[in-house]
Amino acid sequence: AQKITQTQPGMFVQEKEAVTLDCTYDTSDPSYGLFWYKQPSSGEMIFLIYQGSYDQQNATEGRYSLNFQKARKSANLVISASQLGDSAMYFCAMREGTGGGNKLTFGTGTQLKVEL
Amino acid sequence: GAVVSQHPSWVICKSGTSVKIECRSLDFQATTMFWYRQFPKQSLMLMATSNEGSKATYEQGVEKDKFLINHASLTLSTLTVTSAHPEDSSFYICSSPSQGAYTEAFFGQGTRLTVV
Repeated sequence: AQKITQTQPGMFVQEKEAVTLDCTYDTSDPSYGLFWYKQPSSGEMIFLIYQGSYDQQNATEGRYSLNFQKARKSANLVISASQLGDSAMYFCAMREGTGGGNKLTFGTGTQLKVEL
Repeated sequence: GAVVSQHPSWVICKSGTSVKIECRSLDFQATTMFWYRQFPKQSLMLMATSNEGSKATYEQGVEKDKFLINHASLTLSTLTVTSAHPEDSSFYICSSPSQGAYTEAFFGQGTRLTVV
């Protein structure tokens, strides 16, 4: 089974609108972390937001928020007030276990296009 | 955050030649480095984990003799693609595990390899 599933290969959103990028995950480890990264066409990986499995509140970072529904095993990224510069590939990733040195497993990504 | 510097950012080489990619941790000591490969419009797939002073751990299906990984010091990990072929053309990116108070992994800038 896929550990991280992103079902939206591509999404369009109008500038200034909000958009939700879906991510579901699968793990039997009670300790895990969920990450969202942005990858523009240049290829660099830009960290956006993190949610720990024991965190009680949904993570927020500026215009980014993570809608964490533990029972559903979903960790959707919400981008508010979209900007043209938000156009990029977005990856959801999971790190299992408590060790910060553990590897990340990535989803297949969602290509977001912000339109005028 | 922690800085990982990856070089070169792009390289074109002839079939049959070898290419070395370097990842340096600039402001921290990295005992571990993850190496990912990303084909166009696909996800990041972990190839191997390099460990300072010991042998790298390769993921299933990754040829150890083709993708040589060396982690000779706490600040340098290298990936050498030996006897490169056009099918090795891809985006290669390294990542350090989280450091200190940071929860996220830190990525190099990536290397776009084209084998002609």
